[in-house]
Amino acid sequence: NAGVTQTPKFRILKIGQSMTLQCAQDMNHNYMYWYRQDPGMGLKLIYYSVGAGITDKGEVPNGYNVSRSTTEDFPLRLELAAPSQTSVYFCASTPLAGGPDTQYFGPGTRLTVL
Amino acid sequence: AQSVTQLGSHVSVSEGALVLLRCNYSSSVPPYLFWYVQYPNQGLQLLLKYTTGATLVKGINGFEAEFKKSETSFHLTKPSAHMSDAAEYFCAVRKGGSEKLVFGKGTKLTVNP
Repeated sequence: NAGVTQTPKFRILKIGQSMTLQCAQDMNHNYMYWYRQDPGMGLKLIYYSVGAGITDKGEVPNGYNVSRSTTEDFPLRLELAAPSQTSVYFCASTPLAGGPDTQYFGPGTRLTVL
Repeated sequence: AQSVTQLGSHVSVSEGALVLLRCNYSSSVPPYLFWYVQYPNQGLQLLLKYTTGATLVKGINGFEAEFKKSETSFHLTKPSAHMSDAAEYFCAVRKGGSEKLVFGKGTKLTVNP
């Protein structure tokens, strides 16, 4: 199993550009998450999904969109990039939620908006 | 609402010394508790977790943590630090029935030779 994969690893965007961060998992997990990590702030939840076709907002959803058309994929879309979106983005998945199941993390995408 | 407080954003120890990273949580019901480690330029990796039962939990790489309900704490310890333990450590909590993990702000551990 590859686990949770994310592409790209690094990206530089200009203000106002758009891009999609890709996330895929091959563990047949129902629950998937997007976090952003800023220095000294821990991880903040952007969006999450409890299954194909179902998504919900997390703590910091503004400026982002998601979709979940398959169990495996959970892309994160930035429509109009802003400097405040400079961050490291992590995708995670877990088989079940609400219990003790571990969240498995991808290696991250480092995004810089200039 | 749940919250997690990690005391000390930076902790520095000598190689061979005790490692103690502190985590306190607030939750209206007994939660599930996790410690994750993040090595430079990598994703988060589970160190250990508390679900139910024994309050002393052993994890990978010689780490352990003790759940103390009366103190609402879940401190992480390792008897003897190794250079390879240098990383950032995150405590996280999930209330039973919730889909979401709440993370602390992290503690960066430096191990000096």
